[in-house]
Amino acid sequence: KNEVEQSPQNLTAQEGEFITINCSYSVGISALHWLQQHPGGGIVSLFMLSSGKKKHGRLIATINIQEKHSSLHITASHPRDSAVYICAVWNGNKLVFGAGTILRVKS
Amino acid sequence: DTGVSQDPRHKITKRGQNVTFRCDPISEHNRLYWYRQTLGQGPEFLTYFQNEAQLEKSRLLSDRFSAERPKGSFSTLEIQRTEQGDSAMYLCASSNIIAGSEQFFGPGTRLTVL
Repeated sequence: KNEVEQSPQNLTAQEGEFITINCSYSVGISALHWLQQHPGGGIVSLFMLSSGKKKHGRLIATINIQEKHSSLHITASHPRDSAVYICAVWNGNKLVFGAGTILRVKS
Repeated sequence: DTGVSQDPRHKITKRGQNVTFRCDPISEHNRLYWYRQTLGQGPEFLTYFQNEAQLEKSRLLSDRFSAERPKGSFSTLEIQRTEQGDSAMYLCASSNIIAGSEQFFGPGTRLTVL
């Protein structure tokens, strides 16, 4: 079993829909990251969380430390949100990544 | 541009050849990480440096792989006797230990072994 599990693996949405991507982890962590990867490889950090909730524009990230679970929400989705979204946990020395969720938003 | 840079961006090589990749981190970042990413998967940790010291290596890093960061600035990752299974995206990231776990990623080097 992977230390970081994401669901769903693939997600197709219509423009304007509310999107949720889930991440569960099985190890003790000090921080959780949500990352975005566009075709071509570049990875951009969206959020770094250790508790509670953070919001940036149309993106919201939450974490429940007791349940070892985090969610990334996208409100009013847009085709430019199409990308791979990756959850990663920090175990003290390095990041451990989930497999990613491929999101496609259709107009 | 003061972000993380990697060179080359793409490399095609024949099985058995040696390849070397370079990563230039953000200046003043004392930690540098190498990751490998295959299609449909998230990145996997290979190794990391704090300044010039290599502090951890993954079991994924076989003896054909070697990484250096000789002056605590840029780093190189060499793969000897490449195999088709080495085909992947090799990502570099840097961070400042004071900032904790936040890392800044380079664009990656895509390796294709024929």
